[in-house]
Amino acid sequence: GAVVSQHPSRVICKSGTSVKIECRSLDFQATTMFWYRQFPKQSLMLMATSNEGSKATYEQGVEKDKFLINHASLTLSTLTVTSAHPEDSSFYICSAPTQGLDGYTFGSGTRLTVV
Amino acid sequence: SQQGEEDPQALSIQEGENATMNCSYKTSINNLQWYRQNSGRGLVHLILIRSNEREKHSGRLRVTLDTSKKSSSLLITASRAADTASYFCSPAQGGSEKLVFGKGTKLTVNP
Repeated sequence: GAVVSQHPSRVICKSGTSVKIECRSLDFQATTMFWYRQFPKQSLMLMATSNEGSKATYEQGVEKDKFLINHASLTLSTLTVTSAHPEDSSFYICSAPTQGLDGYTFGSGTRLTVV
Repeated sequence: SQQGEEDPQALSIQEGENATMNCSYKTSINNLQWYRQNSGRGLVHLILIRSNEREKHSGRLRVTLDTSKKSSSLLITASRAADTASYFCSPAQGGSEKLVFGKGTKLTVNP
């Protein structure tokens, strides 16, 4: 079946540094990738939608200069958290619609801790 | 895109029992999808039911859809401890639209 590989699974970084999260579609082409953030015991909140070859679309309240999204190929989308702060600590998950198949495929998530 | 509202928010049962969770939505849909999330992991697609279907089965899962009531239910039969997870529904218009999620139902299956 369709697989989205997300890396890293866990990352700890210092305040002020940047962290890049990658999501790769392994056996299908992901022209669209959705990025979510999930705080403890809360639901997933959609942050942005990335489309291959064009600018990402951000949800209201999400700072595009802080959460940089790049979707340069049909199999890779990246989310970079710039100048990270402790309040950015969260669980980040990507998802792609699986063309021609039912449903969407999610990455396994990245636990970001900013210290 | 619209968010589904899952009910109940939490459900605790014994292994072997059936678990039923419900989802309500507000506007017409093309399909409705159910997902499972184990703690600290991504979501796993369980089943998709289209608006012209009333019931769908997949293993121990049975999903119903009532478009007149704008509601769906997910039944897990003969539950196992491994079914412990949060379950989310996502009503969708189709295509590659963005999915949004409610608070989900947190299911605990006690051994």
